[in-house]
Parts: sequence; structure tokens; C-alpha cells
Amino acid sequence: QLQLQESGPGLVQPSETLSLSCAVSGDSGGSGSYYWVWIRQPPGKGLEWIGSIYHSGSTYYNPSLKSRLTINLDTSKMQFSLKVSSVTAADTALYYCARQKGWSGYYDYWGQGTLVTVSS
Amino acid sequence: DIQLTQSPSSLAASVGDRVTISCRASESISNYLNWYQQKPGKAPDLLIYGESNLQSGVSSRFSGSGSGTNFTLTINSLEPEDFATYYCQQSYSSPTFGQGTKLEI
Repeated sequence: QLQLQESGPGLVQPSETLSLSCAVSGDSGGSGSYYWVWIRQPPGKGLEWIGSIYHSGSTYYNPSLKSRLTINLDTSKMQFSLKVSSVTAADTALYYCARQKGWSGYYDYWGQGTLVTVSS
Repeated sequence: DIQLTQSPSSLAASVGDRVTISCRASESISNYLNWYQQKPGKAPDLLIYGESNLQSGVSSRFSGSGSGTNFTLTINSLEPEDFATYYCQQSYSSPTFGQGTKLEI
């Protein structure tokens, strides 16, 4: 059973950089044609795709966030990361990591999510 | 961006009912439409992918249909555990989600 686990600070200062990691473990966690994805959900609101990284290292970003995003993949540790620069209160959300199966674009495994609050 | 509009935004139903949730895309997305169920405090779970394919382990009471711009999630014989929020998501282009439909008792 594949498992994903997010980690990182729960509180970030405005204008600083939000940094999260997602550790992947279990069956088929480290091979195959998968994309590794970040999705967020502001409290009480809907879901927003942030971006993804393919096992080759190619990245795909939400156009509305692209200038502030960096997603990296460490296949040796089987973990991937998210950095969002110049954060504001609008970046306060529950951040999920997930797996996308190939080019199909659906997310079949999710982490439990980690709440990040942007506040001074 | 492709916009997805779900209707209704909320829905009240009873155990045993059949319900349908609509998802309309702002332009054609072929069959690149997926459905998720989210319960309070939990991550979303994949229900349907590619418009009508049932994810492994998901009850056959769930079904999806549609193509192009209009899609429907149908839940037959509602069970207590089905009361949750449902999201559609398109994977035709830069992914987007619908705003959600809250299914309440």
C-alpha cells in the first residue's frame, strides 16, 4: 500500500518562503510513470492544483502560481518538495501531496495533508 | 484555465435515495473528468476516473457519465457513509477542480 506523508512548518511569516516535503513509501512508490503532485485547500474552501513533477524531473506549475513555485524530486530518498516564495495570507491552506498515475491526470493516492498558516 | 461548475452546491438526501451531481466544463475536455469524495478532516478519495471508470475498491453504487462539457456523478441507494463533499476535476489541460457539492442528510 502506497503511503504519502507531508512535513514542514505549520506557520510561515508573510513574504517568507513556504517549504514542504512529501515522503513516499510502500509498493510502487519509487518507479513507474508517475507524477508527484501538490494540491492545496484553503480552510473551508475547494481544491487547487499547485503543480507536479514527473519521475524524469520535468515540472508543471499552476500558471497563477508559477512565478513563486519550485517543486523538486529526490528519487534516492523517494521524496519530493514544494517551495512557495513571497507568501501572503492567501497561501494559508491545507497542503496535500498526491500521486498522479501516468498522463491520465487523476490522483489515486493522497497524503493526509498539512496545514500551513501564513501569519506574523 | 478551464472552469468547472458543479451543481448543485449542496444537496439534501436520505439513505436509500439516488442522487446526481452535475459538472459542466467551460470548454470541451473529452472524457478527462475525474470525481473525488472528501469527508471532513480527510484527504479526497478518488471515485471515478476518465469520466466513467470506477476506481478499485469503490462501491458500484457510484457511476459516472458524460463527455465534452457535461458530466454527471450518480450515487445509487445512498448509504450513511456517502454523505460527504464531492469534487470533479479535469485533467485535459492545466488541472482544475469544481467548487464542490456537499451532500447532506
